[in-house]
Amino acid sequence: AQSVTQPDIHITVSEGASLELRCNYSYGATPYLFWYVQSPGQGLQLLLKYFSGDTLVQGIKGFEAEFKRSQSSFNLRKPSVHWSDAAEYFCAVAAGDSSYKLIFGSGTRLLVRP
Amino acid sequence: SAVISQKPSRDICQRGTSLTIQCQVDSQVTMMFWYRQQPGQSLTLIATANQGSEATYESGFVIDKFPISRPNLTFSTLTVSNMSPEDSSIYLCSVEEGRGTEAFFGQGTRLTVV
Repeated sequence: AQSVTQPDIHITVSEGASLELRCNYSYGATPYLFWYVQSPGQGLQLLLKYFSGDTLVQGIKGFEAEFKRSQSSFNLRKPSVHWSDAAEYFCAVAAGDSSYKLIFGSGTRLLVRP
Repeated sequence: SAVISQKPSRDICQRGTSLTIQCQVDSQVTMMFWYRQQPGQSLTLIATANQGSEATYESGFVIDKFPISRPNLTFSTLTVSNMSPEDSSIYLCSVEEGRGTEAFFGQGTRLTVV
């Protein structure tokens, strides 16, 4: 069965520091992978997605992620974090052959120190 | 990108009652989904709303508890029936335009059952 693991429940970084959020997936075929951000009281916003091709994917707000098939990982990175990046981040994989259902990880809450 | 309107945005309901949540999309979409996000948890798929036919429910979710309608390609409803405090969650509508495209989410409906 497909699954997504985000091993870090909380991460705290200082403003201006670099960030890496971890995501590991379990899926039998080539996965479709996503990172979403959820700010307090907000819906989910797509940061970036990987379907195929270049394994380094650029997203919005300065985020990027790298797909590593050998490690079953899709870690999210940002070189310099801003206070407005404080939010909940979800990694997800699209499951199923004929539908586009998303399986979400448990999420990582990012706290940013001034 | 698809714009999704969910109503109501939040509600407080008495146990034993039912609440119907509406999801309206500004364009015709192929797939519509309903997710639940329990407090402090990740998102879990409830069901796929199929246009003109019965919804497809995920394991652990049943039609009697979460009846879903989808009369056309732009609208769906989710009813939370015979509510208990355990149903207190955020319920989110999501749409896809086909495999390989982005999933768009509504702002969610925050339900509190007292």
